[in-house]
Amino acid sequence: GNSVTQMEGPVTLSEEAFLTINCTYTATGYPSLFWYIQYPGEGLQLLLKATKADDKGSNKGFEATYRKETTSFHLEKGSVQVSDSAVYFCALNNFGNEKLTFGTGTRLTIIP
Amino acid sequence: DTAVSQTPKYLVTQMGNDKSIKCEQNLGHDTMYWYKQDSKKFLKIMFSYNNKELIINETVPNRFSPKSPDKAHLNLHINSLELGDSAVYFCASSQAGTGGTDTQYFGPGTRLTVL
Repeated sequence: GNSVTQMEGPVTLSEEAFLTINCTYTATGYPSLFWYIQYPGEGLQLLLKATKADDKGSNKGFEATYRKETTSFHLEKGSVQVSDSAVYFCALNNFGNEKLTFGTGTRLTIIP
Repeated sequence: DTAVSQTPKYLVTQMGNDKSIKCEQNLGHDTMYWYKQDSKKFLKIMFSYNNKELIINETVPNRFSPKSPDKAHLNLHINSLELGDSAVYFCASSQAGTGGTDTQYFGPGTRLTVL
């Protein structure tokens, strides 16, 4: 079956630090990969996605590259801000199946 | 305009009661979903409907019954509520037929507390 493994949190960083949140997946076929962000008390919003191997998704300074050889989709940002504090979810969706499988989420806190 | 809306935002009720959560999307999407997020933030799909037809039902107890009167609405009715049903329930929608590449848009969530 499909599964997503995320780096365990919580993660606390100082403002302007470099961020990496690891995500690896197990799936048959060629899934699409997503990072969603959840701010406190809100629903999830798409941060970025990649739909095929070697694609790079990017948004708001965040990037993630779909690596089929290592089955990974690690999230990176060069310089984090306090406003990036949120819970980050890695997810996959297999071709032809509309179901999202989520990782356990990583809580990120950025301190000024 | 809110793309995916849910009501109520908070729901506090006694064990054994029956309650409903409503969801509406104005994005013109064909597919809608219900997810459950537990206290540890773990998210799991419960149901998915495409054009009013059930397409995903993930081993959810029979006490949970989704209803889709039209493709813009997907309501969740829960009978005989139990303590373990306490969670945040999220509705979402997406366009269908994209082979799983499309973004899902989430509502703000309904926090259900069963006492």
